Amino acid sequence: GAVVSQHPSWVICKSGTSVKIECRSLDFQATTMFWYRQFPKQSLMLMATSNEGSKATYEQGVEKDKFLINHASLTLSTLTVTSAHPEDSSFYICSATDSNQPQHFGDGTRLSIL
Amino acid sequence: AQSVTQPDIHITVSEGASLELRCNYSYGATPYLFWYVQSPGQGLQLLLKYFSGDTLVQGIKGFEAEFKRSQSSFNLRKPSVHWSDAAEYFCAVGERSGGYNKLIFGAGTRLAVHP
Repeated sequence: GAVVSQHPSWVICKSGTSVKIECRSLDFQATTMFWYRQFPKQSLMLMATSNEGSKATYEQGVEKDKFLINHASLTLSTLTVTSAHPEDSSFYICSATDSNQPQHFGDGTRLSIL
Repeated sequence: AQSVTQPDIHITVSEGASLELRCNYSYGATPYLFWYVQSPGQGLQLLLKYFSGDTLVQGIKGFEAEFKRSQSSFNLRKPSVHWSDAAEYFCAVGERSGGYNKLIFGAGTRLAVHP
């Protein structure tokens, strides 16, 4: 089946630093990638949708300047959490689709900001 | 607005018992429906999906789900649960927009399995 790789799986960093998370589709061309945030014991909240070669579409309440998304190729999207603070600590999950398939999810990145 | 309701936050069953996880949706058109499973600290794995056709859908790991338009439901079932089925289960409805399916998730149901 379709494979989506997310890296890193866990990152701990100091408050004020920026963190980049990568999402790769390994065996298909992902025209669309999604970024979700999941708080403990809660559901997934869609943060933004990115289409290859165009600007991401952010959900209401998500800061564009805080969560930078780049989808420069059909196999790679990145989420950069800029000037991260403890309240940004969360589990971030990406998914990818070529529009004909259901979304396939990465294994998530646990971000801890000290 | 589209929404998905999973009424049961937490369910506990004995190993070998049958299972049914409930899902109700609110959607104006014919929905695309999905069930995903998430193990702790992991991403989501697709169990099954319904787009059209036969309303009883077979998935992986012995799961099935039945789409009932009259009840706006898409309940997940398994005849005999295994200990490895303990996980979080999410029902989702796909909202077609711009050529792709944007997913709206339910709150999830956490399944515990007793030996």
